[in-house]
Amino acid sequence: GAGVSQSPSNKVTEKGKDVELRCDPISGHTALYWYRQSLGQGLEFLIYFQGNSAPDKSGLPSDRFSAERTGGSVSTLTIQRTQQEDSAVYLCASSLAPRLAANEQFFGPGTRLTVL
Amino acid sequence: DQQVKQNSPSLSVQEGRISILNCDYTNSMFDYFLWYKKYPAEGPTFLISISSIKDKNEDGRFTVFLNKSAKHLSLHIVPSQPGDSAVYFCAANPNTGNQFYFGTGTSLTVIP
Repeated sequence: GAGVSQSPSNKVTEKGKDVELRCDPISGHTALYWYRQSLGQGLEFLIYFQGNSAPDKSGLPSDRFSAERTGGSVSTLTIQRTQQEDSAVYLCASSLAPRLAANEQFFGPGTRLTVL
Repeated sequence: DQQVKQNSPSLSVQEGRISILNCDYTNSMFDYFLWYKKYPAEGPTFLISISSIKDKNEDGRFTVFLNKSAKHLSLHIVPSQPGDSAVYFCAANPNTGNQFYFGTGTSLTVIP
């Protein structure tokens, strides 16, 4: 079946360039999360979308990071003026609802971003 | 500030024995806890969860124990199988927010 997909799988960019990372959640999932995992670290929450509500952006590390979710489905994470410390694996996850007792987030394979 | 901690970066266990993975947290507002399993080059996959109203949840070979007074949870896998070799992350969610806080992971190796 169709799971969460992310593109590109790998992205190498030069410092100062902008990048866009894409996430296609599972159809019908209203909740969508972005995380990043830096080397040797756990998953760091970035942003959360739930339906048509305003997103929870509390995890975005700087104003160079932004994300949108069009039509309640596909989401794009944009990093402007990339820095070397932005190098990480960026993971997207979706779920039916955020806090059901049997909540399960389905993760995509991630995008490995390398900033030279 | 790491609110969810997995202090053992790695663990090796013989096939058939019990694997015990530990996780500690600092935020008393956490009321929902999850374990994820991750293979290389793949996203994490959900394994098992537990609500703070329980102290144990079991699913097949996997059992999660929650000790709220100690702010500690553990994942028991018995019997361990070579296919269980992966990185295991614990995660926690507070009753007041949308964020899920993840630990840094424990790499489990089950030796045949």
